[in-house]
Amino acid sequence: GAGVSQSPRYKVAKRGQDVALRCDPISGHVSLFWYQQALGQGPEFLTYFQNEAQLDKSGLPSDRFFAERPEGSVSTLKIQRTQQEDSAVYLCASSPGGPPWAFFGQGTRLTVV
Amino acid sequence: AQSVTQLDSQVPVFEEAPVELRCNYSSSVSVYLFWYVQYPNQGLQLLLKYLSGSTLVESINGFEAEFNKSQTSFHLRKPSVHISDTAEYFCAVSEGYTGGFKTIFGAGTRLFVKA
Repeated sequence: GAGVSQSPRYKVAKRGQDVALRCDPISGHVSLFWYQQALGQGPEFLTYFQNEAQLDKSGLPSDRFFAERPEGSVSTLKIQRTQQEDSAVYLCASSPGGPPWAFFGQGTRLTVV
Repeated sequence: AQSVTQLDSQVPVFEEAPVELRCNYSSSVSVYLFWYVQYPNQGLQLLLKYLSGSTLVESINGFEAEFNKSQTSFHLRKPSVHISDTAEYFCAVSEGYTGGFKTIFGAGTRLFVKA
């Protein structure tokens, strides 16, 4: 597609439920980032992939958060045993790999009830 | 460690008035600087960027920002705003390869343009 696509756009999960958020980056983009954006805040870095390699996962808030990009294209962010504090918009971004800026998807708004 | 401070959370302004959105950053190495814009119900879009060279950078819709290394600032300005400029603006910094390519964002400034 022409841009970064994320699905679902909205997700409501009961506390304790596992969720999986999908990101389709722009075709051919080497770099892929996940960010978490809490209400009224700027995006906070979660993790970074270069192709299928996860080079930085320093922003993942706990071991309940897991991200993968097995074939170097589509990525999935999984959150196990969701908690209310996980409620946020999860943003995916991709870039060709050279320039230090990225193209963002519209995000997945996760609400944990 | 990198950090970004946007000094104003909200900026209300009348149409056709000038505006400045302030941004300060901290970093121990050379940085790349960005302004992203988020219109209502849309994703983040790159507005303008400073990579190297001229310290004054411009966007296609009349915004400009100036990199001031001594003051570690990258303020965004527009001489005359339109209603359509109403959006959230995020200042961001990246240390490129040194920082692992991650981008650090400020908390955002909501620009509200009134008729």
